[in-house]
Amino acid sequence: GAGVSQSPRYKVAKRGQDVALRCDPISGHVSLFWYQQALGQGPEFLTYFQNEAQLDKSGLPSDRFFAERPEGSVSTLKIQRTQQEDSAVYLCASSLEGQIVYGQYFGPGTRLTVT
Amino acid sequence: GQNIDQPTEMTATEGAIVQINCTYQTSGFNGLFWYQQHAGEAPTFLSYNVLDGLEEKGRFSSFLSRSKGYSYLLLKELQMKDSASYLCAVFDSNYQLIWGAGTKLIIKP
Repeated sequence: GAGVSQSPRYKVAKRGQDVALRCDPISGHVSLFWYQQALGQGPEFLTYFQNEAQLDKSGLPSDRFFAERPEGSVSTLKIQRTQQEDSAVYLCASSLEGQIVYGQYFGPGTRLTVT
Repeated sequence: GQNIDQPTEMTATEGAIVQINCTYQTSGFNGLFWYQQHAGEAPTFLSYNVLDGLEEKGRFSSFLSRSKGYSYLLLKELQMKDSASYLCAVFDSNYQLIWGAGTKLIIKP
């Protein structure tokens, strides 16, 4: 596809369930980012990959959050034992290495609601 | 700590001009971005400034003053479709994007 895609677009989970959110970046984009966006707020950085290497995971709020990108393309963000405070939109973005002047390209996001 | 401030909400009239301000305090600076985000959609890239001055791109212009930690986004000839949130974001010394909370722009006919 032409853009970043994410699935599912909407996810409702009961508190305590595990969820997995998928991101398909733009083909050829080396860098991949995950963000969490609460309603009425800007995105908050979660983690960053360069190819398959997770170079920065300083934004992951707890050890319940785990991200991987095993083959350097598709990435999965996993949240274990979901809590109500995990309810947010999870955005994935990708960019070409060294092309920061063009910014990051964002997917449509996954809206997670924990009940 | 790192901080980016922008007004929460602004209202303007169709056809007019509006300026959205952003001030920042970050650990290092490697450029400032403006993104547009329509409700329920992903942010889309508008502009990138790394040097002082004004960058013009059609109806949108972005200004940066690094010494003042200040930027603004100028929107001219406003259209109803410009109703959206406008997010200011700064690359810090680690090339991590630090985001403001966004300014919700309401356009009235």
